[in-house]
Amino acid sequence: EADIYQTPRYLVIGTGKKITLECSQTMGHDKMYWYQQDPGMELHLIHYSYGVNSTEKGDLSSESTVSRIRTEHFPLTLESARPSHTSQYLCASRSGGGLYNSPLHFGNGTRLTVT
Amino acid sequence: EDQVTQSPEALRLQEGESSSLNCSYTVSGLRGLFWYRQDPGKGPEFLFTLYSAGEEKEKERLKATLTKKESFLHITAPKPEDSATYLCAVSGGYQKVTFGTGTKLQVIP
Repeated sequence: EADIYQTPRYLVIGTGKKITLECSQTMGHDKMYWYQQDPGMELHLIHYSYGVNSTEKGDLSSESTVSRIRTEHFPLTLESARPSHTSQYLCASRSGGGLYNSPLHFGNGTRLTVT
Repeated sequence: EDQVTQSPEALRLQEGESSSLNCSYTVSGLRGLFWYRQDPGKGPEFLFTLYSAGEEKEKERLKATLTKKESFLHITAPKPEDSATYLCAVSGGYQKVTFGTGTKLQVIP
């Protein structure tokens, strides 16, 4: 069963609108991530957080912003959506610490379409 | 820079026809190689983690193996429900996770 939840699952909005994609996890994981994935393409990291009040930009340049005020919550905001933002957005989390890295656990994503 | 290359891009098998998917990687200080299954419109589902060369993991019809340069996902006697895209990812010393583009598997009844 999914322990990481994303809402909405699908979103169609007009250009220029402000949107927030929600992501929550119940596993108490310190590390959380946002990936962007276009159909048939690889996942690209756009933001990550290693804990409360810690956020960093990923490899893929993105006009979105994130916040991490609570451990379980990692929302992503687009201040002014554009058609180029049309994509699938995937949230993930994992436990931290230790010599080896634990696997990412993903939500089911938000499919965003900007018209 | 960490890199992951998966082959083939797509694979079509008859039900019961065993095969293997390849994941070649370069990473600075491997701290985990991960296999995921992704169904259309869903997020990746975690399958296996491998940490050191020689390690093997099994789950039902799937078996993952690891060498110093590549990993294989062996599928034995696949069923149509095994149809999905299989993703490989590596995590190195900086805790970044780098994904490959995946192998799209179709199993025909």
